[in-house]
Amino acid sequence: QAVVTQEPSLTVSPGGTVTLTCGSSTGAVTSGHYPYWFQQKPGQAPRALMYDTSKKHSWTPARFSGSLLGGKAALTLSGAQPEDEADYHCMLSYSSLHWVFGGGTKLTVL
Amino acid sequence: EVQLVQSGAEVREPGTTLKISCKASAYSFSDYYMHWVKQAPGKGLEWMGLVDPEDGETRYAEKFQGRVTMTADTSADTVYMELSSLKFDDTAVYYCVVDLNWFEPWGQGTLVTVSS
Repeated sequence: QAVVTQEPSLTVSPGGTVTLTCGSSTGAVTSGHYPYWFQQKPGQAPRALMYDTSKKHSWTPARFSGSLLGGKAALTLSGAQPEDEADYHCMLSYSSLHWVFGGGTKLTVL
Repeated sequence: EVQLVQSGAEVREPGTTLKISCKASAYSFSDYYMHWVKQAPGKGLEWMGLVDPEDGETRYAEKFQGRVTMTADTSADTVYMELSSLKFDDTAVYYCVVDLNWFEPWGQGTLVTVSS
């Protein structure tokens, strides 16, 4: 089974910009992996932020954006807020109806 | 409002079988895949598999193949996840999530503790 890799932890200053990435052991991440990004705060269920690389849910703040960057999926946060401190999980699709999550990135806003 | 309500916390001994449920409401149950996701304490998310409530078709992650069974009861708008031969590292929160709105919404999670 493929392995999806994320940075274990990142720190961003309030108002700053940070990019989280999501790589695949099978090679470059493409739009065909339909990358998802989920945000999870302590004690809560995850919530989908981004799907299909760069599409946002209605509740996704405008400061989040998704892209493909250097063979990886990327989630960029521009203008970080204290409430953005959370775990971020990416998920990729492999073949039909099989999904794999990355290990998650703990984002600290400090 | 679309909701997924999961069954309550469970404690099981190693080697036994667990079956948890996820009841859906306020949408057309048969029309959307239901996924199950595992989260061990302090760890990331792990996709376990999915069930198509319309015809019962399933897809399982390789890691859980042979130990997991996902089923759907359309008369009760409920899906079930059965995990057999439980091990200590099956201790986790298990979430159901419906692919209604691009992997939303999620159930509240069911805490499963495997302990002797």
